[in-house]
Amino acid sequence: AQSVAQPEDQVNVAEGNPLTVKCTYSVSGNPYLFWYVQYPNRGLQFLLKYITGDNLVKGSYGFEAEFNKSQTSFHLKKPSALVSDSALYFCAVQDGQNFVFGPGTRLSVLP
Amino acid sequence: EAEVAQSPRYKITEKSQAVAFWCDPISGHATLYWYRQILGQGPELLVQFQDESVVDDSQLPKDRFSAERLKGVDSTLKIQPAELGDSAMYLCASSLYVGSYEQYFGPGTRLTVT
Repeated sequence: AQSVAQPEDQVNVAEGNPLTVKCTYSVSGNPYLFWYVQYPNRGLQFLLKYITGDNLVKGSYGFEAEFNKSQTSFHLKKPSALVSDSALYFCAVQDGQNFVFGPGTRLSVLP
Repeated sequence: EAEVAQSPRYKITEKSQAVAFWCDPISGHATLYWYRQILGQGPELLVQFQDESVVDDSQLPKDRFSAERLKGVDSTLKIQPAELGDSAMYLCASSLYVGSYEQYFGPGTRLTVT
């Protein structure tokens, strides 16, 4: 069965600094990988996905993610963090018809 | 912009009572998902529909939970009887099809069982 790990419960970064939110996965086949963001009292919003092709995927709000097959990782990155990026971030994997979310990482961007 | 609709937004019920949640997906989306999200955790898939058919309900506690999508459009998730441990956010999402398509989430229903 597939699984997703987000090793950091909390990531703190200063505004203007680069940010990274880590994700590793375990699947039996070729995965589809996703990042979602959840703001307080709101549903999840899609950020970006990796299906195939270029390992660097660009998404909404200036976020990007790098797929690394050998390390089974799909880390979310942004060159310059904004205070408004503070939210809960979820990595997710789809393997066939099975879809699994990670436990989430809370990002706090400090002014 | 089209959105996934859910109602009610909040529900408080006593244990052993029945409760139902409704979801209307984005028009044209064949796949509909119900998730349960406990505070501080990631969403857990309860049931997945492709049109009116259940694709995956392996994590649905079938002794008390049921879900239907009779005409392949809107869907209802029911809990009977509710237990204290069912207190959570229930999220509905839809996507064009199963597979590589991103999911669009509704605002969720926050259930409190007392």
